[in-house]
Amino acid sequence: NAGVTQTPKFQVLKTGQSMTLQCAQDMNHEYMSWYRQDPGMGLRLIHYSVGAGITDQGEVPNGYNVSRSTTEDFPLRLLSAAPSQTSVYFCASSYSRTSVGTQYFGPGTRLLVL
Amino acid sequence: AQSVTQLGSHVSVSEGALVLLRCNYSSSVPPYLFWYVQYPNQGLQLLLKYTTGATLVKGINGFEAEFKKSETSFHLTKPSAHMSDAAEYFCAVTTASGSARQLTFGSGTQLTVLP
Repeated sequence: NAGVTQTPKFQVLKTGQSMTLQCAQDMNHEYMSWYRQDPGMGLRLIHYSVGAGITDQGEVPNGYNVSRSTTEDFPLRLLSAAPSQTSVYFCASSYSRTSVGTQYFGPGTRLLVL
Repeated sequence: AQSVTQLGSHVSVSEGALVLLRCNYSSSVPPYLFWYVQYPNQGLQLLLKYTTGATLVKGINGFEAEFKKSETSFHLTKPSAHMSDAAEYFCAVTTASGSARQLTFGSGTQLTVLP
């Protein structure tokens, strides 16, 4: 199993540009989530999904959209990038909503918005 | 609502010394508690977890943590630090109830191991 994969590893955007961060898992996990990591703030939940076709907002959802058309994939879209979205983004998955504490993390995407 | 406070954003210990990383939580219902470790330029990986049962839990790499309900704490310890333990450590909490069992992380503690 590849586990949780994320692409790209690093991206530079200009303010106002849009992009999609890709996340995929091959463990047939029900629950998937996106976090952003900023210095001194730990990880903050952006959006999460408890299954295909079901998504919900986390702590910091503004400026981001998600969809879950398949169990495997959970892309994160930045509609109009802002410098405040400069961060490291992690995708994670867990077997089910009841095991959300045991999450498997991807390697992360470093995003710089100029 | 739930929250986690990690005391000390940076902790330095000598190789072979005791490691103690502090975590206090707030939760209105019984918590599930976790410690994750992040090595440089990598994602997080689960170190150990407490759900129910024995309050002293053992994890990978010789780490352990004790759930103390009266103190709302879940401190992480290791008797003897190794250079390879240098990483950032995150405490996290979720609950056993509710339909959206989100994981809330602390702000992290950077552990430095001195030779």
